[in-house]
Amino acid sequence: NAGVTQTPKFQVLKTGQSMTLQCAQDMNHEYMSWYRQDPGMGLRLIHYSVGAGITDQGEVPNGYNVSRSTTEDFPLRLLSAAPSQTSVYFCASSWGRLGGYTFGSGTRLTVV
Amino acid sequence: AQKITQTQPGMFVQEKEAVTLDCTYDTSDPSYGLFWYKQPSSGEMIFLIYQGSYDQQNATEGRYSLNFQKARKSANLVISASQLGDSAMYFCAMRETGGGNKLTFGTGTQLKVEL
Repeated sequence: NAGVTQTPKFQVLKTGQSMTLQCAQDMNHEYMSWYRQDPGMGLRLIHYSVGAGITDQGEVPNGYNVSRSTTEDFPLRLLSAAPSQTSVYFCASSWGRLGGYTFGSGTRLTVV
Repeated sequence: AQKITQTQPGMFVQEKEAVTLDCTYDTSDPSYGLFWYKQPSSGEMIFLIYQGSYDQQNATEGRYSLNFQKARKSANLVISASQLGDSAMYFCAMRETGGGNKLTFGTGTQLKVEL
């Protein structure tokens, strides 16, 4: 049972480049979310999904897109990378409306 | 307004002592869940303990307990018999049933356990 799998673990981008952070879960969880973690700011919600085909914006959505075509996958797209998007990104999934979230191991992204 | 407030950026505790990490929350939703996560220096997020808003008793998981005071809107984490391996960042989080069931985090408390 793999849980939540994020790829890649590390990535360096140049300003203006685009890329997709991959997230997959094998627990049949309805809820999936993307967070970014910056020093002193905790984890901030970027986008989330309550099921296949349904996504919504979180606290800091600008510069990011998501889609949820299947229950298992929830990719995060950076449209045109900026140095302000240098961060650690976590994907998480959950069962039920008040269940705990299981987190992936994170992606450390640097934009130069 | 902040939904989750952790007022202790850093804490020190001696090995084998108990420590309390503070968390207050703000919600008008009658149904919600409160969580604590541990993040060691390796970076992964580890779920520790959960408290539901309708739970009558405080949650416990091994050396972790959650001191839930609903009227005060506080959900403090108590770690008993601290170990060196407890040194980590600790995050309090809340999930409300309204508004997409999002999980909202506090800014965290860095705990250092000393010999």
